[in-house]
Amino acid sequence: QKEVEQDPGPLSVPEGAIVSLNCTYSNSAFQYFMWYRQYSRKGPELLMYTYSSGNKEDGRFTAQVDKSSKYISLFIRDSQPSDSATYLCAMSGQGGSEKLVFGKGTKLTVNP
Amino acid sequence: GAVVSQHPSRVICKSGTSVKIECRSLDFQATTMFWYRQFPKKSLMLMATSNEGSKATYEQGVEKDKFLINHASLTLSTLTVTSAHPEDSSFYICSASHPTNSYEQYFGPGTRLTVT
Repeated sequence: QKEVEQDPGPLSVPEGAIVSLNCTYSNSAFQYFMWYRQYSRKGPELLMYTYSSGNKEDGRFTAQVDKSSKYISLFIRDSQPSDSATYLCAMSGQGGSEKLVFGKGTKLTVNP
Repeated sequence: GAVVSQHPSRVICKSGTSVKIECRSLDFQATTMFWYRQFPKKSLMLMATSNEGSKATYEQGVEKDKFLINHASLTLSTLTVTSAHPEDSSFYICSASHPTNSYEQYFGPGTRLTVT
């Protein structure tokens, strides 16, 4: 079993839809959970960060972490064509100074 | 703030030659930098962790004599692909951990290496 599992998609939705992206993991030592967005041929950029369990909201984005189920989610409300990108979940045990373990990434296309 | 740059953004080299990729943190000092490799439609694979002034820690399966990493200062790390082969063609991305935002790694824009 891989440490982090993420469905690679692709996922295609109409503009305005609610998008749900998720990852599962096996390492219970993970404490820091992140979602990165990566446009084609670019480096990843941090979208959301959550420490331990709970929810975090930032504009149209909501990140959820359920450590008991080892399951994290990213919700995008009112999706826009500009949200079309690959979304990668990442996690670590000790934050930015420790290596991140990435999921494969889910390629999202929001159609106008 | 917290910008990481990479140079070059794209490079094409011939088989057998060496290529150096630079990673710089432009507005902060990064004690730890990371080098990743990404194949098309695949996730980022960590190659090595680089700490300023010390030897890099390589992930299992990564040849340290082939992928030379030098973290000479708090703002610069370099990755040299030695005796490059076509199978080394990939997208190489660096990241740097921020000294105050301890949870975050800031990523560079990546370098596309093509070995012919």
